[in-house]
Amino acid sequence: QKEVEQDPGPLSVPEGAIVSLNCTYSNSAFQYFMWYRQYSRKGPELLMYTYSSGNKEDGRFTAQVDKSSKYISLFIRDSQPSDSATYLCAMQAAGNKLTFGGGTRVLVKP
Amino acid sequence: DTGVSQNPRHKITKRGQNVTFRCDPISEHNRLYWYRQTLGQGPEFLTYFQNEAQLEKSRLLSDRFSAERPKGSFSTLEIQRTEQGDSAMYLCASSSPLLPTYEQYFGPGTRLTVT
Repeated sequence: QKEVEQDPGPLSVPEGAIVSLNCTYSNSAFQYFMWYRQYSRKGPELLMYTYSSGNKEDGRFTAQVDKSSKYISLFIRDSQPSDSATYLCAMQAAGNKLTFGGGTRVLVKP
Repeated sequence: DTGVSQNPRHKITKRGQNVTFRCDPISEHNRLYWYRQTLGQGPEFLTYFQNEAQLEKSRLLSDRFSAERPKGSFSTLEIQRTEQGDSAMYLCASSSPLLPTYEQYFGPGTRLTVT
């Protein structure tokens, strides 16, 4: 079983809808949680990072962490076609390597 | 801030050949990471450096792989006697201890195709 599980999708939504993404993990040592966006054949781009349980908001993006359930989420409000990409969750213990989920492919239809 | 750069962007090689990739991190980032990503999967950790010291290597990094960061700036990843299973995107990332959560910033990657 993988340390980080993420539904591969694809997740198709109409423009303007809320995109809801999530990951579950099994390693209690993970302290930092990140979301990356990756366009086809490009490197991952950091969107959000969180440390504690709770919510963090940045523009149209909201990240949630529930350490008791080992569950993290990313919400994208007012989705745009330019949000079509693969979204990767990543987790980190003590400032070292990242452990990624497999990524969820998102398609926002105009 | 020019971001993380990687060269070449794409490499096609024949099985059995050696290849070398280069990564230039964000200036003043003292940590540098290498990851490998295959199609439809998330990146997997290979190794990382703090300054010129290689501090951790994954079991994915077989004896045919070697990474260096001789002066604590750019890094190279060499694959000897390439195999078709080495075909993947090789990603480099860097981070700074001045960042509160050691966020890692990725380069565009080098796509390796072994024929």
